[in-house]
Amino acid sequence: GQQVMQIPQYQHVQEGEDFTTYCNSSTTLSNIQWYKQRPGGHPVFLIQLVKSGEVKKQKRLTFQFGEAKKNSSLHITATQTTDVGTYFCAGGGANNLFFGTGTRLTVIP
Amino acid sequence: NAGVTQTPKFQVLKTGQSMTLQCAQDMNHEYMSWYRQDPGMGLRLIHYSVGAGITDQGEVPNGYNVSRSTTEDFPLRLLSAAPSQTSVYFCASSYPGSGYTFGSGTRLTVV
Repeated sequence: GQQVMQIPQYQHVQEGEDFTTYCNSSTTLSNIQWYKQRPGGHPVFLIQLVKSGEVKKQKRLTFQFGEAKKNSSLHITATQTTDVGTYFCAGGGANNLFFGTGTRLTVIP
Repeated sequence: NAGVTQTPKFQVLKTGQSMTLQCAQDMNHEYMSWYRQDPGMGLRLIHYSVGAGITDQGEVPNGYNVSRSTTEDFPLRLLSAAPSQTSVYFCASSYPGSGYTFGSGTRLTVV
């Protein structure tokens, strides 16, 4: 079955430092989506990437989709305490979505 | 728009009991899915549906049944609860090819 691996599992950063999480799939993905889940909350959709090599930005967040459409990354510049949570990538099949294990981000004020 | 509504928010079951987790969406989304979330395991797909009357199995379907008689509702049935089914369950919906909208989850404990 489709597998989506995500690293690191945990990341602690000082407020103001940058943060990156990486996502790798064993198969070519039709698209990749990113979600954020605050502690005790539910996943919230951030963005979807579809094209090979695609780069999208949302304020301090930069999302990339690899050329082979098997990997992706999320980079946060100058983290803030509001960035705390778990970030999930999710690879799309034709009709469903498989989630990575997530990276839990802690921001130390 | 309420989005995706899940009930109940919390539930404690005894081993062997059955129950239904409710999920309803008011966005006219074609796709609906059930996930379970366990510590360190991310979200694992249980069952999904691409439209009314159509369902299929995900990664971890054993012990769960679903049906989709209407576009709005996608209930998840636990046939005979086991401690291994202790988890947080999320229902999600989407249009094809778009981001998923998740419900607030049901925290289930099986004792």
